[in-house]
Amino acid sequence: DAGITQSPRHKVTETGTPVTLRCHQTENHRYMYWYRQDPGHGLRLIHYSYGVKDTDKGEVSDGYSVSRSKTEDFLLTLESATSSQTSVYFCAISRQGSNYGYTFGSGTRLTVV
Amino acid sequence: AQSVTQLDSQVPVFEEAPVELRCNYSSSVSVYLFWYVQYPNQGLQLLLKYLSGSTLVKGINGFEAEFNKSQTSFHLRKPSVHISDTAEYFCAGYGGSQGNLIFGKGTKLSVKP
Repeated sequence: DAGITQSPRHKVTETGTPVTLRCHQTENHRYMYWYRQDPGHGLRLIHYSYGVKDTDKGEVSDGYSVSRSKTEDFLLTLESATSSQTSVYFCAISRQGSNYGYTFGSGTRLTVV
Repeated sequence: AQSVTQLDSQVPVFEEAPVELRCNYSSSVSVYLFWYVQYPNQGLQLLLKYLSGSTLVKGINGFEAEFNKSQTSFHLRKPSVHISDTAEYFCAGYGGSQGNLIFGKGTKLSVKP
């Protein structure tokens, strides 16, 4: 595989609690992305990063924050989880300036009860 | 608006039959186009991509896609499907407001014996 792992793979949490999802890559790619996948919506971009400490918002960023202190790690935090954030979260990486598409992690299934 | 549209949410087909999964993109989407496949409980993996050159692109597992600029389409085809092709397929192109990949909502291919 391309060297991208997500943790945890599954998580159940309670409404109002903070949650952090981790994406780790061994490819030294500059760009990293967080998407969420929901039935009928496909994949929607939450946040992305174009370098260490360089991040920006995607189309569905409300309620989420990210951090990237090292090239290899990109963290997604739900400050106060809500039921609407129940979803499958995917991390993806891509090379700088590449039009070769993204490589995806295996996903984290998050359930907020 | 930038968009990638998959015209069918579900496609049932019998084993060994041909299949076509349809994808249209808006003119504001880059013509770097991709098809991804997602098997149950897995991440997305690249099936094929069109960057330039020949409009007929061959991918893994016997799939191919044809880029048609005049019809702004990038349909995926396979002449004879197998049970193992049962999966969800996503069409994608560059064009998000951050220059990111935007995805169609997916087509679930169900191959029946």
